[in-house]
Parts: sequence; structure tokens; C-alpha cells
Amino acid sequence: DAGVIQSPRHEVTEMGQEVTLRCKPISGHNSLFWYRQTMMRGLELLIYFNNNVPIDDSGMPEDRFSAKMPNASFSTLKIQPSEPRDSAVYFCASSGLAGGETQYFGPGTRLLVL
Amino acid sequence: GENVEQHPSTLSVQEGDSAVIKCTYSDSASNYFPWYKQELGKRPQLIIDIRSNVGEKKDQRIAVTLNKTAKHFSLHITETQPEDSAVYFCATGSNYKLTFGKGTLLTVNP
Repeated sequence: DAGVIQSPRHEVTEMGQEVTLRCKPISGHNSLFWYRQTMMRGLELLIYFNNNVPIDDSGMPEDRFSAKMPNASFSTLKIQPSEPRDSAVYFCASSGLAGGETQYFGPGTRLLVL
Repeated sequence: GENVEQHPSTLSVQEGDSAVIKCTYSDSASNYFPWYKQELGKRPQLIIDIRSNVGEKKDQRIAVTLNKTAKHFSLHITETQPEDSAVYFCATGSNYKLTFGKGTLLTVNP
């Protein structure tokens, strides 16, 4: 199993541009999570999907952030327009019935907004 | 919502010594308590977890203890090695949602 796959691994963009982060969860997992990690705020849950349905998006900072999960093997996190304060590492994680609540993290996308 | 406090924020030990990291939480509904290790530039990886019906769990040099009455749990690492140096996160889980502590930077000096 390849584990959780994220792309791109690094993204540098200018303020105002649209950014799209991608995630492929572990096959068979039915829960997917997007996290943001910064030095100041630590690991924050942005949104949680179960069976492709958003269950909890209370962590999404503002309307500039949106996330979708069109099928069980793909999710996107979009920031439009991006701002310098969005610079962070964004992790996707998945969990499944076989593992209970154990969440497996992807390698992350390091985003820098200039 | 859930609030997880983790202490200390940094911990420096000599190789071979033990290290203890403590977390407290607020939500009595939390029933899953994992610990993650994150090396610099890498992803968080699960090292051990415990569920609310168990008070202690051990896996080689690492162990976790849980006191549900007091709402605190701890990570114990014995015979520390330089490769144990990393940031360690505790978390609490309820209904598949995890809330993380702020992390502890552990440095093991050779």
C-alpha cells in the first residue's frame, strides 16, 4: 500500500492566486481529514469527511477555503484567493474501519504564499 | 470543544535516560488516546495508542498510561536513543475526530 498520497509536495505562489492541494487516501479508508500545521497554532483540523460527505468543517478558517471529496479516492483543498498568512504545511490523513480511529498522515504540502 | 494541554513543550535528556510527556484533556467523551512522533520535515506517525477501557499499554521502550478520572495520560520512553529526538504529539479522539496537543520537542543528547 502506498499510503496517503498528497500533491504537490511544495507550492510557492503569490498572494491572490488560487491554490489547489490534492489528496488520495489509503484504499478502503472511509474517513479523510485535512489539517494545517504552523509553529504558532500547531496541528489544526480543517475539515473531516466520512464516506465522501463533509461532517465537520468548523475548522475551515474562512470562505476563501473550500474542500471537496468527489469520490472515495480523491479530495481537494482549495484556497482562493491565497494570502501570506495561509503559508503552512497542509496534511491530509485517512482512517478506516479496519484501523478504528487511527489516522495515517500523508507527506504534506508545504505552501508558501508570497 | 475539546481542549488538550501538553507538557513540557521542550524536553532535553541524556541518552539512556527516561522521558515523560504529559497531557490533560477536558472532554469526558474522549475514548481514544494516540501519540504521534514527527521528525523534522516529515509527517506525524503513530507510535502508540490506548483506548479508554485500558489503563496502560506498553510497546518495547514506549508506554502510555491513562487516568480517565483525572483526564490525563502520559507517554513514557525508557532508555532513550538519539533517534528518539523528534516532536511528540498527544491527541484525544471521539467519533473519529482527533484533537492534538501543541507538541513536545524531545532532544536526546548522545
